[in-house]
Amino acid sequence: AQSVTQLGSHVSVSEGALVLLRCNYSSSVPPYLFWYVQYPNQGLQLLLKYTSAATLVKGINGFEAEFKKSETSFHLTKPSAHMSDAAEYFCAVSESSNYKLTFGKGTLLTVNP
Amino acid sequence: KAGVTQTPRYLIKTRGQQVTLSCSPISGHRSVSWYQQTPGQGLQFLFEYFSETQRNKGNFPGRFSGRQFSNSRSEMNVSTLELGDSALYLCASSLAGGTNPYNEQFFGPGTRLTVL
Repeated sequence: AQSVTQLGSHVSVSEGALVLLRCNYSSSVPPYLFWYVQYPNQGLQLLLKYTSAATLVKGINGFEAEFKKSETSFHLTKPSAHMSDAAEYFCAVSESSNYKLTFGKGTLLTVNP
Repeated sequence: KAGVTQTPRYLIKTRGQQVTLSCSPISGHRSVSWYQQTPGQGLQFLFEYFSETQRNKGNFPGRFSGRQFSNSRSEMNVSTLELGDSALYLCASSLAGGTNPYNEQFFGPGTRLTVL
C-alpha cells in the first residue's frame, strides 16, 4: 500500500527566506508524486508532478522538488518565500494508472513579513 | 476552458438525512474522482469513475455511493448522514487514457457539508 508522510504540520518562514517542505513516501511500485497547494476556502491546485522523467521537477510560482529514490523523498523547495505563498501544501502519491491519490496530512506554511 | 464546478458550495443537513453532491468536470475529461477532506483524517479518496464505471473505491462505508453520467458529470450520494460526515467534499477530473500514463487531476472548489 502506498503512503505519504509530511514532516511538520506547520512551517513558518520569513519573507525572502528559503521554503523547505518535507515529504517521504512509500510505494510498492514506481510512484507518481505530486505537490498540491490549497488556499483558504478553495480546492487544490497542482504545483508540480514527478512522473519518472527528470528527478528535479520545476513547478509553478517558483517551486521545485527533487525525487530521491534512495531516500524515498520528494521535498518541495522555493528559494525565496513570498507572502502570497502562505497556504496549506499537500504531498500526494499515486501508483501508475490507478488515479487514486494518497495524500499526506498537509503542511501549513506561514510567511512572516 | 471552464474548470471543475461543484454544486452546491455549501450544504447543511441533519443526522439521518441523505445528500447528493454534483460535479461537472472540465470539458473532455472522462475521469472523475471524489475526495473527502476533514481536519482529523485529512484528504481521503472516495471513488473514481471513468466512462460511467467505477474503477477505484476507497475505504468508506456503503452509505457513500456515486455515479457518472454519459456526459461525464458525476454525483455522489451519502445516505443516513452522521455527524462525522461533515467535511469538504472535493471532486477532481482528469483526461485519463491517451498516451500519457498519468494525467493531471484538476480539482473543483469543493462542497462544504455540515451535518447537525
